[in-house]
Amino acid sequence: DIQMTQSPSSLSASVGDRVTITCRASQSISSYLNWYQQKPGKAPKLLIYAASSLQSGVPSRFSGSGSGTDFTLTISSLQPEDFATYYCQQSYSTPGFGPGTKVDIK
Amino acid sequence: EVQLVQSGAEVKKPGESLKISCKGSGYSFTSYWIGWVRQMPGKGLEWMGIIYPGDSDTRYSPSFQGQVTISADKSISTAYLQWSSLKASDTAMYYCAREGTGSGWPLVYGMDVWGQGTTVTVSS
Repeated sequence: DIQMTQSPSSLSASVGDRVTITCRASQSISSYLNWYQQKPGKAPKLLIYAASSLQSGVPSRFSGSGSGTDFTLTISSLQPEDFATYYCQQSYSTPGFGPGTKVDIK
Repeated sequence: EVQLVQSGAEVKKPGESLKISCKGSGYSFTSYWIGWVRQMPGKGLEWMGIIYPGDSDTRYSPSFQGQVTISADKSISTAYLQWSSLKASDTAMYYCAREGTGSGWPLVYGMDVWGQGTTVTVSS
């Protein structure tokens, strides 16, 4: 099994801040890495696929980078609607999610 | 509009069986994988397994292999998740989601369309 870790597990930020979330795989997954956003009581939403490709309809303030074992999700200027939990997911082998990073208001 | 509509909330007793559903519309149901994701109360997302309705190719997470069964009826564009004997620890929200890759493996495009979720409560 490929294990996924995320850091930090939570963070507090202000509107307009630049936010970076890190995801690490226990072995190389090439670029088979997706990012999701989940708000309370809602289904997850795909933000980034294949490590750096922006899903249609997702604001350009979201970006992804990385390959191999280390990946980042960056929100360039945090907006009120971005306060949520973010999950990475590898799809290189049997897919699995990271534990999540909760972004809340400072 | 591409959408997945899941069956309603369920309340069951330990030991009972259950089958929940996920109906796709607005796209070619047989051309995309459908996956299932568990979210226990207050916890993160867990990938359970996936089926390709076109040929019924089904793959499970080792954590869920033997615990659940995933199936699909392509004639009615519906995927299913079933349990033969529920436990209290199966209490969770269950989501189905379309994997945007199509028939290939590994999966490339992520889970791009999600159902609204089905709450399963197992309690004596």
